[in-house]
Amino acid sequence: KAGVTQTPRYLIKTRGQQVTLSCSPISGHRSVSWYQQTPGQGLQFLFEYFSETQRNKGNFPGRFSGRQFSNSRSEMNVSTLELGDSALYLCASSLTNEQFFGPGTRLTVL
Amino acid sequence: AQKVTQAQTEISVVEKEDVTLDCVYETRDTTYYLFWYKQPPSGELVFLIRRNSFDEQNEISGRYSWNFQKSTSSFNFTITASQVVDSAVYFCALSDSPGTYKYIFGTGTRLKVLA
Repeated sequence: KAGVTQTPRYLIKTRGQQVTLSCSPISGHRSVSWYQQTPGQGLQFLFEYFSETQRNKGNFPGRFSGRQFSNSRSEMNVSTLELGDSALYLCASSLTNEQFFGPGTRLTVL
Repeated sequence: AQKVTQAQTEISVVEKEDVTLDCVYETRDTTYYLFWYKQPPSGELVFLIRRNSFDEQNEISGRYSWNFQKSTSSFNFTITASQVVDSAVYFCALSDSPGTYKYIFGTGTRLKVLA
């Protein structure tokens, strides 16, 4: 069974630009969550989607948004990028109570 | 408030030594889940174990074992006879939001196993 896939794996953007990251969950998993990982703040929860609905949201500004499609694939978008948005963005999918993580997208904002 | 504390920032051991990674959690809920994940240099978080709040049985899986004690709010992880391939960052996480999969992660413990 294929794992969680994330594209792209690496991104370089400049301040003020926007970016869209994509996540394909494990087949059959309907919940997708996103996390941001930085050296200073560690792993922080961004949001969770289930059946195309946002079920939970972390403490991030409105520049961070996401959505989920009918096939459970999810995208997250960050608008007006700031230097502090440089991070590893991890996506996880769930069927029961444990989450399985993808390899992440490493975003660098210059 | 929910919180997960991993007080050990970095641990170095010599191969074949046993090592215990500590995890202390805080939650007001009686129903919750605890997890351990391994993050090798590649970056992907690898699921190791899930334990729910009603199951205090310790678990052993090969060289890995976990000790869950509700009385001290701890969920410690022991690697027996450590190997170089165990070198990674290990995260403990808590989930206590019913119906969602929001995890609260600890800051992680970097384990270095030296040959």
